[in-house]
This record gives sequence, structure tokens and C-alpha cells, in this order.
Amino acid sequence: QKEVEQDPGPLSVPEGAIVSLNCTYSNSAFQYFMWYRQYSRKGPELLMYTYSSGNKEDGRFTAQVDKSSKYISLFIRDSQPSDSATYLCAIPSGGFKTIFGAGTRLFVKA
Amino acid sequence: NAGVTQTPKFQVLKTGQSMTLQCAQDMNHNSMYWYRQDPGMGLRLIYYSASEGTTDKGEVPNGYNVSRLNKREFSLRLESAAPSQTSVYFCASRAPAGQETQYFGPGTRLLVL
Repeated sequence: QKEVEQDPGPLSVPEGAIVSLNCTYSNSAFQYFMWYRQYSRKGPELLMYTYSSGNKEDGRFTAQVDKSSKYISLFIRDSQPSDSATYLCAIPSGGFKTIFGAGTRLFVKA
Repeated sequence: NAGVTQTPKFQVLKTGQSMTLQCAQDMNHNSMYWYRQDPGMGLRLIYYSASEGTTDKGEVPNGYNVSRLNKREFSLRLESAAPSQTSVYFCASRAPAGQETQYFGPGTRLLVL
């Protein structure tokens, strides 16, 4: 079993839809959770991070962590074509390493 | 402030050829990383350097070597390229201790024939 699992999609939604992106993880000791966004032919960039259970909101984006279920989510409200990208969950695993999910490709159709 | 830069952007090699991928960062970060990204596999760590003068193997180190030339530069070498090394390679550096954010370069697309 991989330490971090993420459905690679692709996920296609119409403009204005609410998008839900998800990852599961196996190690209950993980405490810090991140989401990176990667546009086509670019490097990943940090989008959001959260350090505890519950929700963290930043504009149209909400990161949610459920430690009891070992489940993390990223919600995008009022999705825009400019949100079309690959979204990777990432979990620092201790020391200097971070475990990345496979990434979910999102297409938002105008 | 360029962040993390990588050269070359694209390279085609024949099986058995060697090459070095270059990476530099201007953020004064101590830690640097090399990843490969393949469809459906996500980012897999090849090697990392926690600080100048140290390097350690990641998840998929076979077929690669690295050199941390100084605090700014971290290179990845393929001594004898194989088709299985066809991938997109990303270099990253990490913010100072206490912060987990990694900053990525634009990537090098490598095709091994």
C-alpha cells in the first residue's frame, strides 16, 4: 500500500462547478498536509497547507483534513478555466522528505 | 530573483549516452532535491541534499548520481542512459528549517531512445 493515494483522474467539470479533490494516507503520525498546483509543462507550486484537522480557507479554495479517516480534501468553489491543472497532495514524512500523491488532472470547461 | 533554474529544458539521448542535468537556486536554501515525474506515478524522489556537502538516496536512485557543488547548485548525472529513464525531471529546494514548502524548477524533459 502506498503511503499516499490519489486518484489521477482526469476530472472534467463545467465552469462554476464545485470541485472536490481527495487523497488518503496510511500513517497516522503525519501532521502536516499540503496541496500543490502544477500547470502543464511547469513545476509544482504550493497552493495551500494545513497543520491540523478541520478546514482552512483561502479565497475559492478550502483544504480539509480528517485525521480519524486519514483523508484530505481540496475544494474549489466557482471553478474557472484557469484552475485547469494537476493538483498534488503532499505530506512531509519526517526528516527532509515529502511524499507526493500521483496528482489529479482537472479540466474546467468554459 | 529567479528562484530555481534548470538546464537544459529538453534533451534527447541515445541509450548508453551520459548527461548532467543542472540545477541552481538563489533563495539561500539549505536543502535541494531531484525528482522524476512519470504519468500516474507522481513525483518520485531520486536523491536529495539536506545541506551543502551531504547527499542521500531517495526512492529511485539506481542509474543516477548527484553532486552538491555548493549551496546554490545541485546536479544530477545519468552515466549510461536507458529508455526507462525517459521522464520529466524536477529540481526543488526547501525553505529553511521549520517550513516544509518546496520550490520547484521548470523541469527538464528527457527522452532516451
